[in-house]
Amino acid sequence: DTGVSQDPRHKITKRGQNVTFRCDPISEHNRLYWYRQTLGQGPEFLTYFQNEAQLEKSRLLSDRFSAERPKGSFSTLEIQRTEQGDSAMYLCASSLRTSGAADTQYFGPGTRLTVL
Amino acid sequence: SQQGEEDPQALSIQEGENATMNCSYKTSINNLQWYRQNSGRGLVHLILIRSNEREKHSGRLRVTLDTSKKSSSLLITASRAADTASYFCATDALGTGNQFYFGTGTSLTVIP
Repeated sequence: DTGVSQDPRHKITKRGQNVTFRCDPISEHNRLYWYRQTLGQGPEFLTYFQNEAQLEKSRLLSDRFSAERPKGSFSTLEIQRTEQGDSAMYLCASSLRTSGAADTQYFGPGTRLTVL
Repeated sequence: SQQGEEDPQALSIQEGENATMNCSYKTSINNLQWYRQNSGRGLVHLILIRSNEREKHSGRLRVTLDTSKKSSSLLITASRAADTASYFCATDALGTGNQFYFGTGTSLTVIP
């Protein structure tokens, strides 16, 4: 399968614990995005990378959230000291950005986080 | 915050009927895209329409864009039970780098 993959698909944790999610984008894609989606809402942008550089971060992304894409391939999203309000679906998407082209993002299946 | 808003929030139709959902957004855009999401799953890209286009077709899908009204519509013709899903519009707003702003979604139920 050559789509975007995310791991784990589900994560249950206790408040205050740290969690890390992984995203493997489509192999030739240079851009990688993280979104958060809560029930009944559309995805909300968190951050994105062009290759290994993190180019934008949403104001939604508190200091407890950090994302990396060390070699311009897979990415990790870490949440420290989780809170119940962090419970959501975390979606990863990737795209191939070329000059002048519109950016179609391809999404992974998501990681559903439940903070108890 | 959400850039767009879909209307209606929920839509229920019989198989074979057409389904129309609308999206309104707030700021000028580069392009607008529609995505489908089955319950608890990731989003699937359906169609992209650029800001200088007014209408686009893909199979049973027809999308229109009216930039003067900051609105778009998605028409699904001859609906099937498998079309049951949530549908989101996403805008690539001018001047925001590459942030995608999603609407709140329309939940479509197609009754067999």
